[in-house]
Amino acid sequence: DARVTQTPRHKVTEMGQEVTMRCQPILGHNTVFWYRQTMMQGLELLAYFRNRAPLDDSGMPKDRFSAEMPDATLATLKIQPSEPRDSAVYFCASGLHHTGELFFGEGSRLTVL
Amino acid sequence: AQSVTQPDIHITVSEGASLELRCNYSYGATPYLFWYVQSPGQGLQLLLKYFSGDTLVQGIKGFEAEFKRSQSSFNLRKPSVHWSDAAEYFCAVGALEYGNKLVFGAGTILRVKS
Repeated sequence: DARVTQTPRHKVTEMGQEVTMRCQPILGHNTVFWYRQTMMQGLELLAYFRNRAPLDDSGMPKDRFSAEMPDATLATLKIQPSEPRDSAVYFCASGLHHTGELFFGEGSRLTVL
Repeated sequence: AQSVTQPDIHITVSEGASLELRCNYSYGATPYLFWYVQSPGQGLQLLLKYFSGDTLVQGIKGFEAEFKRSQSSFNLRKPSVHWSDAAEYFCAVGALEYGNKLVFGAGTILRVKS
């Protein structure tokens, strides 16, 4: 059963620390998206890739967030330094560009103290 | 700008009753439309999607949705709700012209009373 895998599922860290979240998209998918979910803002798009190339990261705070796809099986979202307002659930989703349908991972719940 | 409105934050229905969750969108291109469901602590699961063709689409778990272009709506329906349907439901819109980035509504929390 193909699925998007995210690690870690939960992360508690202190303000100022670096946080890296990882995502393994479904094999064969050519788009990868990072979303952030909070009670106040709902689901916000942070970044997305097609064929590993970053196409849009306008939703991401550039000074502290970075997203990469070092290879087709791994996408990363890094926060450095982390702040309490970054506390949220971060979702990775993958899909095929021509279908538009996205498959979501179970999310990484981040708490920054 | 693209936007999705789900006007109901919470809805409570009795088990066995019918359900309709509303979704309206504003989009500058021919949209793809989706409904996702999220259970607590879980990711989003696709219920159904509309790309083109028949405006009434069937999904998993007995859900259906109807695309009404004139009303910019894509409402989700189920004729008889089960207690296991209690979850949060998200409407989303995307378009090939915008790189298939999905814009989500704020979600509707469904409670089912027995």
